[in-house]
Amino acid sequence: GAVVSQHPSWVICKSGTSVKIECRSLDFQATTMFWYRQFPKQSLMLMATSNEGSKATYEQGVEKDKFLINHASLTLSTLTVTSAHPEDSSFYICSASDQTRGESTDTQYFGPGTRLTVL
Amino acid sequence: AQTVTQSQPEMSVQEAETVTLSCTYDTSENNYYLFWYKQPPSRQMILVIRQEAYKQQNATENRFSVNFQKAAKSFSLKISDSQLGDTAMYFCAFMSGSQGNLIFGKGTKLSVKP
Repeated sequence: GAVVSQHPSWVICKSGTSVKIECRSLDFQATTMFWYRQFPKQSLMLMATSNEGSKATYEQGVEKDKFLINHASLTLSTLTVTSAHPEDSSFYICSASDQTRGESTDTQYFGPGTRLTVL
Repeated sequence: AQTVTQSQPEMSVQEAETVTLSCTYDTSENNYYLFWYKQPPSRQMILVIRQEAYKQQNATENRFSVNFQKAAKSFSLKISDSQLGDTAMYFCAFMSGSQGNLIFGKGTKLSVKP
């Protein structure tokens, strides 16, 4: 259990276009999902916290108009990188907490990540 | 603000031996959770072990165990009988009891040598 999927796993796009990344909790409901960004050989940096049915909470320095997050259901959150530029190239990872697992409700389970390359 | 420090950028261990990865953290909170995640070359983040701060007993998960020293704010990971598949980046992470987001250390790259 506690499986999180991401789609696509790899995407290449042209500068100026928008890219949507999906994050799904496959076997549990997640009221909260998280989006991280990871540069090569670096740690994960939290970008935003996505709550089902409400606006996402963005970390300081993350442009909310550039990184649009939607959490329309208990199993799906999407991250849209708008007007992408080469500096947005990175590895994007989502995670979700299983709210039904008793004392493990705070454990985050991660998706496999999406590698975005902007040309 | 909470911080997580992993002071060992890289470590190596021989197969079947034991290795300990260090992690210290800083917080003024009393209720929090600590985690070790593994990120192999596939880049999939995998939960290794979890510790609740209110529990004095150190968490164990098969070959993985932690040494949780709350007063010293230390949370080291011991890997026994190291296997080649343990080769990965290991991230220590802190979660406040009042917030759900994880704060990660910079990671330790572990190489298990045959």
